[in-house]
Amino acid sequence: DQQVKQNSPSLSVQEGRISILNCDYTNSMFDYFLWYKKYPAEGPTFLISISSIKDKNEDGRFTVFLNKSAKHLSLHIVPSQPGDSAVYFCAASLGSNSGYALNFGKGTSLLVTP
Amino acid sequence: DAGVTQSPTHLIKTRGQQVTLRCSPKSGHDTVSWYQQALGQGPQFIFQYYEEEERQRGNFPDRFSGHQFPNYSSELNVNALLLGDSALYLCASSLALGTAYNEQFFGPGTRLTVL
Repeated sequence: DQQVKQNSPSLSVQEGRISILNCDYTNSMFDYFLWYKKYPAEGPTFLISISSIKDKNEDGRFTVFLNKSAKHLSLHIVPSQPGDSAVYFCAASLGSNSGYALNFGKGTSLLVTP
Repeated sequence: DAGVTQSPTHLIKTRGQQVTLRCSPKSGHDTVSWYQQALGQGPQFIFQYYEEEERQRGNFPDRFSGHQFPNYSSELNVNALLLGDSALYLCASSLALGTAYNEQFFGPGTRLTVL
């Protein structure tokens, strides 16, 4: 049963604009949320994370927002660059240390066009 | 500093065979997790090894087994291969203690095809 859902398989955005990737989860026990980025033939790489006690975390061009009541999080990329084109996975875990398994969504393929 | 490495890169097996995949964690890491990523899906947690023992396990049958060695490297074994086992197998390493957040570093994966 998919506990983390990314309902948009793909997204196309123009360079310089904002990219917004969405993620929903069903398990209210999830305590920590992460975004990973994956290029073809490479493993996923960590992008940004947020604890359930926060509602926003920012790192350069990347901001993650968490709405616990709606069980929804989103990743904002501003401004989008062609190098951001990749598959983005949302993941959730029951705790913030590495002993907890990551539960992934199916991913959203982002294409940033010049 | 070498990241997570996995071998082999690609593998083709037939149904019923057995396969072993290998993973070397990032330098300094002591915990290894294995994930299966089927086509069009997100990675699914198989199990995690710490101090040479399986610490937790996802919803995978006993045909999937693993091992962690004293140098923290790990193997994933799959017996009696099924067509549905065809997937990208990802290894992730992390540090069990002293980490402020659950960042797992992933290797490039092993692409297993079962014919």
